[in-house]
Amino acid sequence: EPEVTQTPSHQVTQMGQEVILRCVPISNHLYFYWYRQILGQKVEFLVSFYNNEISEKSEIFDDQFSVERPDGSNFTLKIRSTKLEDSAMYFCASRSTLEQFFGPGTRLTVL
Amino acid sequence: DQQVKQNSPSLSVQEGRISILNCDYTNSMFDYFLWYKKYPAEGPTFLISISSIKDKNEDGRFTVFLNKSAKHLSLHIVPSQPGDSAVYFCAASAGSGGYNKLIFGAGTRLAVHP
Repeated sequence: EPEVTQTPSHQVTQMGQEVILRCVPISNHLYFYWYRQILGQKVEFLVSFYNNEISEKSEIFDDQFSVERPDGSNFTLKIRSTKLEDSAMYFCASRSTLEQFFGPGTRLTVL
Repeated sequence: DQQVKQNSPSLSVQEGRISILNCDYTNSMFDYFLWYKKYPAEGPTFLISISSIKDKNEDGRFTVFLNKSAKHLSLHIVPSQPGDSAVYFCAASAGSGGYNKLIFGAGTRLAVHP
C-alpha cells in the first residue's frame, strides 16, 4: 500500500541553524501539507501546497518557513533560523480525494 | 482556537464492548469530518470520514455519526479490541472543493483492556 515517507525521523539542531525536513508524498497525490504537533498540544496546520505554489498558510508559517517541491517527488519544509519553540513533531500529508494521508513525522529538537 | 473539541482526554473500555468517542465543533462552515488513530512516535492514520450531507458512515467495526444541528460527531468501535488502544483525533475541514486544511481536536486516548 502506498504511503507517505519522511526523513529524517529525528533531527537535532542548534538554535539559529537552518533545517530541511523531507517528505515523499504518495505518487498520484496532488495536494500536499505540513502540520506540526508540539508536545502535549494539538496537531496544527502549517501550510498547503498545490500546483507548485502555496495555497494556504497559517499564522505560524512566517518568513522563517518555506516549502518546495524540487523534483516532482520530494516535498520539503525549510526553517531558516530555528528557534527553541520550533521543537515539535512535523508531519507531512498528501491527498488525491478528500482524505489526507500522513507520514510518520520528523521529531525536531532545537537546543 | 477551539473550533474542534474532544472533551474526553481518555476512555477505558473492556475488550468486546463498544467504544464511543465524541467530538464537537463550532464552525458551521465545516463540511467534511475525519477520524484518525495515532500510536506513539507514528503519524496519524486515517480511519473513517463523513461528509456533512450524511449522518452516518460505516466501515467494518467503525461507524461515524454526525448530528449537524448539534454540531456533534461520534466514532463507535464495535467490538473493541486491545489493538484499538491509541489516541483518536477528530478533524474537520471547510470547503470540500478547496484545499482542505484540517483542524484537529486535542485527541482522546482509548485504552481497551482484556
